Amino acid sequence: GDSVTQMEGPVTLSEEAFLTINCTYTATGYPSLFWYVQYPGEGLQLLLKATKADDKGSNKGFEATYRKETTSFHLEKGSVQVSDSAVYFCALRSNAGGTSYGKLTFGQGTILTVHP
Amino acid sequence: ETGVTQSPTHLIKTRGQQVTLRCSSQSGHNTVSWYQQALGQGPQFIFQYYREEENGRGNFPPRFSGLQFPNYSSELNVNALELDDSALYLCASSSPRGAGGTNEQYFGPGTRLTVT
Repeated sequence: GDSVTQMEGPVTLSEEAFLTINCTYTATGYPSLFWYVQYPGEGLQLLLKATKADDKGSNKGFEATYRKETTSFHLEKGSVQVSDSAVYFCALRSNAGGTSYGKLTFGQGTILTVHP
Repeated sequence: ETGVTQSPTHLIKTRGQQVTLRCSSQSGHNTVSWYQQALGQGPQFIFQYYREEENGRGNFPPRFSGLQFPNYSSELNVNALELDDSALYLCASSSPRGAGGTNEQYFGPGTRLTVT
């Protein structure tokens, strides 16, 4: 079945440091890939997405590229801020099985803490 | 545009009891998905409702059941609560690609259930 593996955390960085959170996946066909962010006490917010190989999703300075050859979707940001402290989830959605069934499969999450 | 709302925010139940959680979908969305997020884990898909019918189910026992109403709001019911049911329950709404939507899921803030 589908699965998502994220790098183990937590990750602690100083402000303005470079961020990479690794994500690899296993899925049949050509899934869509997502990064969600969860701030303390809140639900999930979509950060960025990519729907086909070599697509690059980007938002708020974060980027991730859909690499089909390595089945990866690593999240990067060139200069993190204290406000980026949150839990980050990589997820996939299988595009098999019709247009209305949109189950998301999530990784275990990576806690990011950014210090001033 | 009103986002996804969930109620209650928190609740505490005793093992063996039954609980009902509620979700109002985002305006224009006709599909609702439910996820269980245990502490320190990624969300796990419970089921999805589309046009008032269950449309896909994850690896959860039958004591997890749901409903979707004509206004697309939804309920998650859990019978015979167990300690391991303690989690954050997330609801997400979407509009299928086949209906002119993007199939992207927008999450509510969640209901924190504690079973003692």
